[in-house]
Formats: sequence, structure tokens, C-alpha cells
Amino acid sequence: KAGVTQTPRYLIKTRGQQVTLSCSPISGHRSVSWYQQTPGQGLQFLFEYFSETQRNKGNFPGRFSGRQFSNSRSEMNVSTLELGDSALYLCASSLARPQGQYFGPGTRLTVL
Amino acid sequence: SQQGEEDPQALSIQEGENATMNCSYKTSINNLQWYRQNSGRGLVHLILIRSNEREKHSGRLRVTLDTSKKSSSLLITASRAADTASYFCATAADTNTGNQFYFGTGTSLTVIP
Repeated sequence: KAGVTQTPRYLIKTRGQQVTLSCSPISGHRSVSWYQQTPGQGLQFLFEYFSETQRNKGNFPGRFSGRQFSNSRSEMNVSTLELGDSALYLCASSLARPQGQYFGPGTRLTVL
Repeated sequence: SQQGEEDPQALSIQEGENATMNCSYKTSINNLQWYRQNSGRGLVHLILIRSNEREKHSGRLRVTLDTSKKSSSLLITASRAADTASYFCATAADTNTGNQFYFGTGTSLTVIP
């Protein structure tokens, strides 16, 4: 089976812009979670989608949003980018909780 | 914060030696998982231990869980240079917004050939 894929792998944006990141889970996996990883804050949970519904949400501002499509692919959107949004954004999929998650390679976002 | 903490933050050992890293967390959990991350890339799931389990093995990995102390340890036996990576524990817990994963701060392991 193909692993979790994320596009794009690298992205450079400027403050105030918005960005959309994409994640394709492993075939058959219906749960997709998003994480932000920074050197200062470590890995932080953003949200989880299951069957097109947001099932869990972390403590991030409303500028961070996401959605999941009927084929389980997921997108994450960040509006009005801030310098502090520079991070590695990781997507993970799983069959169901509480099983282990399979992570994609991440999208490295740099905000200038 | 429910985020776990790992100890030590960094560990350097010789190839062939054993590596032990510890994870402490703050609240009741459903399970605890260990992940490995190589140099800023995606995480790889290593092992999951449920809250009613005390010890689990997978190849050269041995994980223990002590829910009374809210702590877990990961032991890598007979380490190899390829084990060089950052290791994270993640706890799955029920919160008022659903079931969430909380990752620890990570242990950076260097195995010297």
C-alpha cells in the first residue's frame, strides 16, 4: 500500500497570505489528523477528521481550519499567515482510534 | 498542558549498547504510543501499549507502562547507528473535545558507530 502523502513538501509564503495543504491517507484509512511541529512547541495536535467530520480539535485559533472529502483525502487551510506559523505540518492517518497513526513526510511551511 | 515530557532530552551511546528513554504524562490515558522521527521527517509508529498492559515487546524494543506513576519507558537493545533519531511518546486520552493525541517533547538519540 502507498503511504501517506502530503503536498506540497515545501512552501514559502508571506505574512497575511493564506495557504492550503493537502494530505492523502493510506487507502482504507478514514481517520486523518493534522499536527504542527516547531522547535519551540514540539508536536501539537491541530484536528482530526473522520468520515468527513471534524471529530477532535486542538487549541489553535480559528485561522486554522480543515476538511475531509468523501475519499478521505484531507486539506488544511491557514488564513492570514503569521511568522509564527512557520513549521512542519504533519498529517497522519489511521484505520480507527486508538490504533497507531501513519505519518506523512510533512509540509515545511516558511512564512516570511 | 497534558503534553508528556521525556527524559533525557538527548542521549548518546555506542553501537551495541542499550538505550533507555522515559516518558511521563499528566492525565489518565487510553493508550501510549512510541514514535521515531528521523531528521525533521514524518514520524514512524513503533509500538502501542494499552492502559491495562504493563509491558510489551517488538523486536529490539521493550516498552513498559506504569499507570500509577503515569510513566513509560522505551528500551532499545543492541543499538545500531540506524537507530539514531528522535523518539516521542504520545498519549491518547479522552478530553472534553474528544479523543486526542498528546506528544511528548522527545528524546534525541545518537548511536555512535
